[in-house]
Amino acid sequence: EVQLVESGGGVVRPGGSLRLSCAASGFTFDDYGMSWVRQAPGKGLEWVSGINWNGGSTGYADSVKGRFTISRDNAKNSLYLQMNSLRAEDTALYHCARDKGTQSNWFDPWGQGTLVTVSS
Amino acid sequence: QSVLTQPPSVSGAPGQRVTISCTGSSSNIGAGYDVHWYQQLPGTAPKLLIYGNSNRPSGVPDRFSGSKSGTSASLAITGLQAEDEADYYCQSYDSSLALFGGGTKLTVL
Repeated sequence: EVQLVESGGGVVRPGGSLRLSCAASGFTFDDYGMSWVRQAPGKGLEWVSGINWNGGSTGYADSVKGRFTISRDNAKNSLYLQMNSLRAEDTALYHCARDKGTQSNWFDPWGQGTLVTVSS
Repeated sequence: QSVLTQPPSVSGAPGQRVTISCTGSSSNIGAGYDVHWYQQLPGTAPKLLIYGNSNRPSGVPDRFSGSKSGTSASLAITGLQAEDEADYYCQSYDSSLALFGGGTKLTVL
């Protein structure tokens, strides 16, 4: 069974940092690109960042560019999101998702998410 | 405000047909990027519903169908059931970055 399990969320003060992890199982991890998608409380989905199969190509939403860094460790079947200079508007449930497709990727499956709360 | 525009809400009675639109522009859907759809039941992670404009993953009932034309896409649900009550999101790309529509809440009356 394909499974994605996020961890690392918590409460952090504005300006602080947090590192999220996503443990993948049930598929050949380094065959796929991966992404982070977040959902603020009561709001819609927002793509945050994506990375290709070997980490050689990454992309970021304008809202997090320069503050967040996506990475992966294929030996550990793990995806990461380093979040620095956190703001109140970064408060959200962060999901990792597997990329599928070639040019116009879709996301399948999704993890259940880890909650990040930025508050003083 | 999302670059991909969806109606905030739609509703229908059991057995009816409803459609959810996703309107983009020449830089995203109109540029040839595919559109995908997700269903999010209350309190759960999103689930892939339609990929590549009109393809259903294994296990998704054929009551769900997708289409794309020009700068817009649509999700149609026929034979509406109570368990279809959920939030629905379209997703595509713009300048090679993924983006989602604002989401549509489907209420089954």
